[in-house]
Amino acid sequence: GEDVEQSLFLSVREGDSSVINCTYTDSSSTYLYWYKQEPGAGLQLLTYIFSNMDMKQDQRLTVLLNKKDKHLSLRIADTQTGDSAIYFCAENRDDKIIFGKGTRLHILP
Amino acid sequence: DTEVTQTPKHLVMGMTNKKSLKCEQHMGHRAMYWYKQKAKKPPELMFVYSYEKLSINESVPSRFSPECPNSSLLNLHLHALQPEDSALYLCASTWDSRGTEAFFGQGTRLTVV
Repeated sequence: GEDVEQSLFLSVREGDSSVINCTYTDSSSTYLYWYKQEPGAGLQLLTYIFSNMDMKQDQRLTVLLNKKDKHLSLRIADTQTGDSAIYFCAENRDDKIIFGKGTRLHILP
Repeated sequence: DTEVTQTPKHLVMGMTNKKSLKCEQHMGHRAMYWYKQKAKKPPELMFVYSYEKLSINESVPSRFSPECPNSSLLNLHLHALQPEDSALYLCASTWDSRGTEAFFGQGTRLTVV
């Protein structure tokens, strides 16, 4: 398909891990990104991964990339209330940064 | 410094006004982007500048006019906008248009009345 696909909503208990999944479109995409957007704010780059990698870890964040299936995931360990936001997956395709529709992460107490 | 600075943060303009949005970065990035984001939607690409030249225009109406005066600065000139153009306008930059880290500004919230 032409679109970057993400599930629209995820609900997680505080302290648990959150896993947000994404399917991108172009196997030749060089860079894949995860952004966080809080209400009324711009986009915060959380992490990115180059297409020749299959995993990247940065503190509580782990990105897994499966190039064969064009599948990208973001794991947030020990989810906190401050992690409540919309998370966008994006790919760099044909010199454009193309976004998924975003996953709203809701934290349960 | 990984900051992309956008001004103003908020803008209200009438349909006959002319205004400009400004974006600045000092990371030495050579690709800069304008995006439009409507409420509860993902950002949509409008323009890409690469090495100060317009490389991509996503069929944006001519009432939006981009300008890249130098490698650190990107403007978006607005004229005769419609109420449906009200949105969050986001600027981004990367080392070059093939990718690496892509940083976004906090956006300009535009309301057309």
